[in-house]
Amino acid sequence: DTGVSQDPRHKITKRGQNVTFRCDPISEHNRLYWYRQTLGQGPEFLTYFQNEAQLEKSRLLSDRFSAERPKGSFSTLEIQRTEQGDSAMYLCASSPQGHAYEQYFGPGTRLTVT
Amino acid sequence: GDSVTQMEGPVTLSEEAFLTINCTYTATGYPSLFWYVQYPGEGLQLLLKATKADDKGSNKGFEATYRKETTSFHLEKGSVQVSDSAVYFCALSDRPSSASKIIFGSGTRLSIRP
Repeated sequence: DTGVSQDPRHKITKRGQNVTFRCDPISEHNRLYWYRQTLGQGPEFLTYFQNEAQLEKSRLLSDRFSAERPKGSFSTLEIQRTEQGDSAMYLCASSPQGHAYEQYFGPGTRLTVT
Repeated sequence: GDSVTQMEGPVTLSEEAFLTINCTYTATGYPSLFWYVQYPGEGLQLLLKATKADDKGSNKGFEATYRKETTSFHLEKGSVQVSDSAVYFCALSDRPSSASKIIFGSGTRLSIRP
């Protein structure tokens, strides 16, 4: 399977704990995006990378959130001191150079904060 | 800011019925418009797109026409099948040549009865 993969698929954590999610984009896609989707809503943009550079962050991305893409391939999204309001599906997408709007989405990581 | 409004669901139809899911948008520039589909247990998939006014996107029997005068991008299919049951998201990208974050509507759940 050469699609976007995300790990883990599900994560249950207690409030106050830190969590980290991983995204592996389609190889050779230079852009990588993170979105968050809550129940009954469409995905909301969080941040995006072009290669290893993080070029835009939404105001939804509080100081507790950090994302990296150190070698321009996989990316990690870390949430520190999780809150119940962080419970959501976290989606990763990638797109090839020159076709930024053709974003291919992964299956998502569902986070539940208890 | 830019936004997308789509008809609320759920929408329930019988097999072979005609489908319309309404979508309107607000954007300051000249966005590209999309329909994404999310089948049960799967990730978001790009269904079709249109990049300029009067363009018609089509795929798998679905069609949508970019109407600048009415700021609409309604999704239609002449004869739906049970396999079309999914959640459909209307979306836009306001900067098709750069970052291209996608702004999604809230989704419309479609259920097709055999």
